[in-house]
Amino acid sequence: DAGVIQSPRHEVTEMGQEVTLRCKPISGHNSLFWYRQTMMRGLELLIYFNNNVPIDDSGMPEDRFSAKMPNASFSTLKIQPSEPRDSAVYFCASSLGVAGGASTDTQYFGPGTRLTVL
Amino acid sequence: AQSVTQPDIHITVSEGASLELRCNYSYGATPYLFWYVQSPGQGLQLLLKYFSGDTLVQGIKGFEAEFKRSQSSFNLRKPSVHWSDAAEYFCAVVLFSGGYNKLIFGAGTRLAVHP
Repeated sequence: DAGVIQSPRHEVTEMGQEVTLRCKPISGHNSLFWYRQTMMRGLELLIYFNNNVPIDDSGMPEDRFSAKMPNASFSTLKIQPSEPRDSAVYFCASSLGVAGGASTDTQYFGPGTRLTVL
Repeated sequence: AQSVTQPDIHITVSEGASLELRCNYSYGATPYLFWYVQSPGQGLQLLLKYFSGDTLVQGIKGFEAEFKRSQSSFNLRKPSVHWSDAAEYFCAVVLFSGGYNKLIFGAGTRLAVHP
């Protein structure tokens, strides 16, 4: 299995531009997570999908951030407009997942996208 | 609220020495606990996890961790560190909320290995 695939691996953009990060989860996984990692705040969960439906987006910083999962094999995280404080590494993770209840499924992380907003 | 504390931000050990990374959690019930490792420029990889049963858990790459309820700890250990173990290590606890679970990560411990 190829694992979780993220693209691009690096993105440099200017303030005000739209940024789209992409994720392909492991085939057969029902849950998908977007995380942001910064020195100041560590690893933060931004949003969680189960069976392509957003379950919890309470971690999304503000309206400039949006995420979609149009099908089981693809998700995007969009920032519009981007700001320098959005500079971070963004990780996508997937797990087998179950809707509701207690799940002990391991999350498998992609390699991340390093975003730099100038 | 559930939380995870990793008291050591940075640890340096010599190659071949033993290692213990500390993790303390705050959780009312029996926690589900994980250790992940992040090598430079890479995503996180699961080392081991604890859900129930034997409190000493074996993981990949020669790592083990011991769950101690009385101390609210889940410390990671390795008897002999290799240079390739230099990485950042994250402890995490599962938070059950709103009918699903999510991982709460500690701040991480960065491990440096001297030759």
